[in-house]
Amino acid sequence: GESVGLHLPTLSVQEGDNSIINCAYSNSASDYFIWYKQESGKGPQFIIDIRSNMDKRQGQRVTVLLNKTVKHLSLQIAATQPGDSAVYFCAENIDAQGGSEKLVFGKGMKLTVNP
Amino acid sequence: DTGVSQNPRHKITKRGQNVTFRCDPISEHNRLYWYRQTLGQGPEFLTYFQNEAQLEKSRLLSDRFSAERPKGSFSTLEIQRTEQGDSAMYLCASSLIAGTGNTIYFGEGSWLTVV
Repeated sequence: GESVGLHLPTLSVQEGDNSIINCAYSNSASDYFIWYKQESGKGPQFIIDIRSNMDKRQGQRVTVLLNKTVKHLSLQIAATQPGDSAVYFCAENIDAQGGSEKLVFGKGMKLTVNP
Repeated sequence: DTGVSQNPRHKITKRGQNVTFRCDPISEHNRLYWYRQTLGQGPEFLTYFQNEAQLEKSRLLSDRFSAERPKGSFSTLEIQRTEQGDSAMYLCASSLIAGTGNTIYFGEGSWLTVV
C-alpha cells in the first residue's frame, strides 16, 4: 500500500546547530504535504505545509523542501533549540485538490536537542 | 484558549464497556476529523465531517465505532463494547476550507486505556 516513511528514527543535535529531518513518500499523486511536531503527551502541532506545485517554502526558522522527482520531503530547522525536541511527522494528502481529507502519516522521527 | 478541545483527556475503562469522547473544534471551522494514534506510530485517519455531514470513513472505523456531529459544531466519538485493541489516543482535528490551504489543527487527544 501507499505509505509515508521517515529515513531516520532518531536524531540528536547540539543546541544551535541546524537540523534536517527527511521523509520519503511513495504516492506520486500526493499533492499536499505537512510537517507536524508532537511533544510527549500532546497532540500534533502544525509546523509548515507545502503543495506539490512548490519545491520550497519557508517559515520562521523552518524550511520545507519538496523533491517530486525522487518523492522526498525534508524539514530544515535553523538554530535548533531545546524546545524543538519532539517527534516530527511528515504527512501527505493523496488528493487534496480532489477534496480528499485523509492525511497519511509516517511513523515519526524523534529529535533530541542537547544543550 | 481557542484551539481544538477534547475531553476527557484520559479514560480507563473495562473491556466491554462503552466510552464517548467529545471534541470542540476551532470556532467557525467547518471540517472536523477523528484520528487514532498508538504508541510509536503516526496518527491514522478514522473519519471526517463537513459541517454535520460525515463524508469519509476509514476501514479502521468498525461497527463498534460511531461518530456524530449533530449541529455542525462539536462532535462525539463513541466506542461500544470496548476491546483491549482499542487502547490508543484519539485525536480530533479541525480545519476551515480556504481557497489556497486547508491547514488541519489537532487537539491534545483523548487517551483510552481498556483493561
